Amino acid sequence: DAGITQSPRHKVTETGTPVTLRCHQTENHRYMYWYRQDPGHGLRLIHYSYGVKDTDKGEVSDGYSVSRSKTEDFLLTLESATSSQTSVYFCAISDRPRDQYFGPGTRLTVL
Amino acid sequence: AQTVTQSQPEMSVQEAETVTLSCTYDTSESDYYLFWYKQPPSRQMILVIRQEAYKQQNATENRFSVNFQKAAKSFSLKISDSQLGDAAMYFCAYRRMNSGYALNFGKGTSLLVTP
Repeated sequence: DAGITQSPRHKVTETGTPVTLRCHQTENHRYMYWYRQDPGHGLRLIHYSYGVKDTDKGEVSDGYSVSRSKTEDFLLTLESATSSQTSVYFCAISDRPRDQYFGPGTRLTVL
Repeated sequence: AQTVTQSQPEMSVQEAETVTLSCTYDTSESDYYLFWYKQPPSRQMILVIRQEAYKQQNATENRFSVNFQKAAKSFSLKISDSQLGDAAMYFCAYRRMNSGYALNFGKGTSLLVTP
């Protein structure tokens, strides 16, 4: 299994509070991604990174920001969480177009 | 944007039988990758099989095989000799050769395996 961890694995927070999710990899892969998974929608891309300090928006980026100061860490921040951001968040890594490996996911509940 | 459609929200198969999950996609690209991912109740996303669009031969991984019809933009997954452990959500995904290598997913098919 690819070395990908996500923290926290579960989080409950209140509307309006800031939240940061962390993705950590030990594979030295160049590309990192954040997806969210919601019932009836499959997985949708939030943001991705193609190198340290190089990031770009995905399909559902509104309300989210990301940072990547080191190859191994990719942070997803909800500046002011809303109930619509209740979801399961997956981090993924890739070094080649053929393969993408996923972390275990973080379940976030915004009350 | 590329779209991936899985028209079967749920499927059921008896143990030891064969089941086929359908997937269609829309793209104007000629080179790309297609994938099937499995998501069991543990929530972990597991890569089942991969197909390169430039390869005419259908990919096979043990009991899992695909029927890739490039002209029809169809990519179905066949599971042979189904096992109880195959019960999961299955997602079809498309990936361009370039453009950050992000995946576009279908909405998934829930597979139930009955004894």
